[in-house]
Amino acid sequence: NAGVTQTPKFRVLKTGQSMTLLCAQDMNHEYMYWYRQDPGMGLRLIHYSVGEGTTAKGEVPDGYNVSRLKKQNFLLGLESAAPSQTSVYFCASSLIARTSTDTQYFGPGTRLTVL
Amino acid sequence: AQKVTQAQTEISVVEKEDVTLDCVYETRDTTYYLFWYKQPPSGELVFLIRRNSFDEQNEISGRYSWNFQKSTSSFNFTITASQVVDSAVYFCALSAISGGYNKLIFGAGTRLAVHP
Repeated sequence: NAGVTQTPKFRVLKTGQSMTLLCAQDMNHEYMYWYRQDPGMGLRLIHYSVGEGTTAKGEVPDGYNVSRLKKQNFLLGLESAAPSQTSVYFCASSLIARTSTDTQYFGPGTRLTVL
Repeated sequence: AQKVTQAQTEISVVEKEDVTLDCVYETRDTTYYLFWYKQPPSGELVFLIRRNSFDEQNEISGRYSWNFQKSTSSFNFTITASQVVDSAVYFCALSAISGGYNKLIFGAGTRLAVHP
């Protein structure tokens, strides 16, 4: 049982390049989330998914797209990377989210630098 | 508006000292949950505790204890007899239903450095 995994762990991009971050969970969780962590700002929600085939915008969605084609995977895409997207990206999942009872479990993070 | 404030940006203590990390939250919801996560230098986020808004009993787990006071909207975290391995960034978070999903709002974090 690996929990939540993320690939890659590190990446350096040039401005304008694109890339996809992969998140996978093996806990059969319905809900998945992408956050970014910036110094002094805690974690902010980018996009989330309430189930296979559905996604929604979070607090800071601009410049990102997501897809949830399979229940266990949640992809975060950057179509044209900008230096402002330099950050640490965390994926999380929770079993359910119809109530506020459920705990979100986080992946190890991906450190992205955009030059 | 929902908000979590961790006023202590950094705390530095010597091993075996007790240390308390403060967390103050704002919400209009009557049902909500509060969490603490630990982020060690390796970078991952580790879940520590979840507490619901109807349970104000303090909780103790080994050297860790949590004091939830609804009257002051605080959910403070105390480490007793701190150890070097406790060095990490600690995040307090508030969870409530918003737009039909479980929204988690994080504080900015408190960096704890425990020196030998």
